Amino acid sequence: AQSVAQPEDQVNVAEGNPLTVKCTYSVSGNPYLFWYVQYPNRGLQFLLKYITGDNLVKGSYGFEAEFNKSQTSFHLKKPSALVSDSALYFCAVRDTAGGGSQGNLIFGKGTKLSVKP
Amino acid sequence: DVKVTQSSRYLVKRTGEKVFLECVQDMDHENMFWYRQDPGLGLRLIYFSYDVKMKEKGDIPEGYSVSREKKERFSLILESASTNQTSMYLCASSLWRLAGPTDTQYFGPGTRLTVL
Repeated sequence: AQSVAQPEDQVNVAEGNPLTVKCTYSVSGNPYLFWYVQYPNRGLQFLLKYITGDNLVKGSYGFEAEFNKSQTSFHLKKPSALVSDSALYFCAVRDTAGGGSQGNLIFGKGTKLSVKP
Repeated sequence: DVKVTQSSRYLVKRTGEKVFLECVQDMDHENMFWYRQDPGLGLRLIYFSYDVKMKEKGDIPEGYSVSREKKERFSLILESASTNQTSMYLCASSLWRLAGPTDTQYFGPGTRLTVL
């Protein structure tokens, strides 16, 4: 079965420190992976995606993610966290069952990132 | 920029009422989606549509129906609202690609529905 897991419900980081939000996946075929962010009482905003090519993907707001095929992971990273990065982060993978050409995504349960001053 | 709008940010309804949630996108996207978001459960797909008048069930379609009469508009209908349908509802849209990589889904701001 295809799935995506975010093993941490919450991540706490001090401002200025590097941050990592973890994501692992299980899919058949090539994985297409996404990260979204949700600020309080808002919809999801696209951060970045991995389709093919370079394993390090750069996205919005200084975030990047590293695709690791052997570990089936796609961790989100930022070298220096800001208080304004505090939000809910979702990892997602393309649903390839039944062809997947409609573009359905399977979302993780989300990780709450809290950055303290 | 893609813009996805939802008709209401907050909605309060009573048990048994018929509820309509509207979603409109302005980028000529073929695919449209309805999710509900609940704490600890993430996003769960209710219904999706890849063309006008087409609809497909997602993971949790029970108690819901949808309508897509125009390409830009995708409506979610709760035929008889119940308290367990209290949730945040998110609409999204994306381009359709034939046998190609999934395109990014763009989300609306969400509707927080409370059923009393």
